[in-house]
Amino acid sequence: NAGVIQTPRHKVTGKGQEATLWCEPISGHSAVFWYRQTIVQGLEFLTYFRNQAPIDDSGMPKERFSAQMPNQSHSTLKIQSTQPQDSAVYLCASSLDFGEAEQFFGPGTRLTVL
Amino acid sequence: GQQVQQSPASLVLQEGENAELQCSFSISTNQVQWFYQRPGGRLIGLSYIPGMKPTGKQTSSTVTKGRHSSLTISSSQTTDSGTYFCVLSTPNTDKVVFGTGTRLQVSP
Repeated sequence: NAGVIQTPRHKVTGKGQEATLWCEPISGHSAVFWYRQTIVQGLEFLTYFRNQAPIDDSGMPKERFSAQMPNQSHSTLKIQSTQPQDSAVYLCASSLDFGEAEQFFGPGTRLTVL
Repeated sequence: GQQVQQSPASLVLQEGENAELQCSFSISTNQVQWFYQRPGGRLIGLSYIPGMKPTGKQTSSTVTKGRHSSLTISSSQTTDSGTYFCVLSTPNTDKVVFGTGTRLQVSP
């Protein structure tokens, strides 16, 4: 079991460009979470899916951010027109089910917007 | 809205000392998980409720009752230095809320 896989590990974009981050949850896990971490804001919840369905995206910035889970093996977080304040480590986690089991985190994707 | 408060905000220990980290929240729930993160490192789940199953550090334990949870670190080591987060999940409202974190430094 390779654990939660996130790609790329590092991404640098120019202001205004689009960034797509990928996450492959642990096989058999029905809940997938996205978080981001910055020095200023700390750890923030963004969104999560249960059985591929979006459940709670209350942490997502309303504009420019979107997340999808087209199949049970991967989820994507897309940021359009990236801004310097989007620079952060984006973390993906999966668990057997929401609130019932431990979350296993991927290594994160460090996004730097110049 | 829900709030998850952690205390202390930071803590310095000598190696071998014990520490108890506190987490309080605005609703009563038993679905609390503790995470640990070393500087620049990935988040590691320490335990979850129910079950109190430790998956990383074996000398930690958690107790959650009512609107309060605590994490006890026994016989601390320098490798325990990092930030500890308390995380609240509430399936009835489908919310996930992170605490503010406790930064722990263990000196040799």
